[in-house]
Amino acid sequence: KNEVEQSPQNLTAQEGEFITINCSYSVGISALHWLQQHPGGGIVSLFMLSSGKKKHGRLIATINIQEKHSSLHITASHPRDSAVYICAVRVLGYGNKLVFGAGTILRVKS
Amino acid sequence: EPEVTQTPSHQVTQMGQEVILRCVPISNHLYFYWYRQILGQKVEFLVSFYNNEISEKSEIFDDQFSVERPDGSNFTLKIRSTKLEDSAMYFCASRAPGLRNEKLFFGSGTQLSVL
Repeated sequence: KNEVEQSPQNLTAQEGEFITINCSYSVGISALHWLQQHPGGGIVSLFMLSSGKKKHGRLIATINIQEKHSSLHITASHPRDSAVYICAVRVLGYGNKLVFGAGTILRVKS
Repeated sequence: EPEVTQTPSHQVTQMGQEVILRCVPISNHLYFYWYRQILGQKVEFLVSFYNNEISEKSEIFDDQFSVERPDGSNFTLKIRSTKLEDSAMYFCASRAPGLRNEKLFFGSGTQLSVL
């Protein structure tokens, strides 16, 4: 069983659309990370959450610890948002180890 | 923004050869990590390093792997005798000390191809 599940696996949106990517996990966590991986392979950290909600520009991340669920929202999507979005959790009791989801491939068309 | 630097960007090696992947973390960071991503698969944790020693390692990180911080700036991953299944993108990451500084900074990766 995967400890971290993301949905959808693939997402195609029109420029300007509001986008939601979901992450569910089955283990106790101390933190959850949202990462962005560009076509060249580089990884950028977007958010680290342990509770509530964070916003950075057009990106919003929320987490519900009781429901073991997090969402990443992109408002007014743009073709440059096209990337793989990865959810990763820091499992309670496992120190620094991150467990990664499979990623959501986002393509925003102009 | 400060960057984590990885070299080389691509490495091709023959099975059984030793490889060393190099990383220069951000200068005031104290926690260092190696991850790998086999083509088409999830990113996987390999090892974390703090205070000049391994703080945690995954099942993947067997005796063929070692990490070192030889000179206070570089952080290296050595694979002693490479296997075909070691072919992957290897990412180094670092973060600053303190519970509030959980943001990870990733390098751009080293693509390792074992022939």
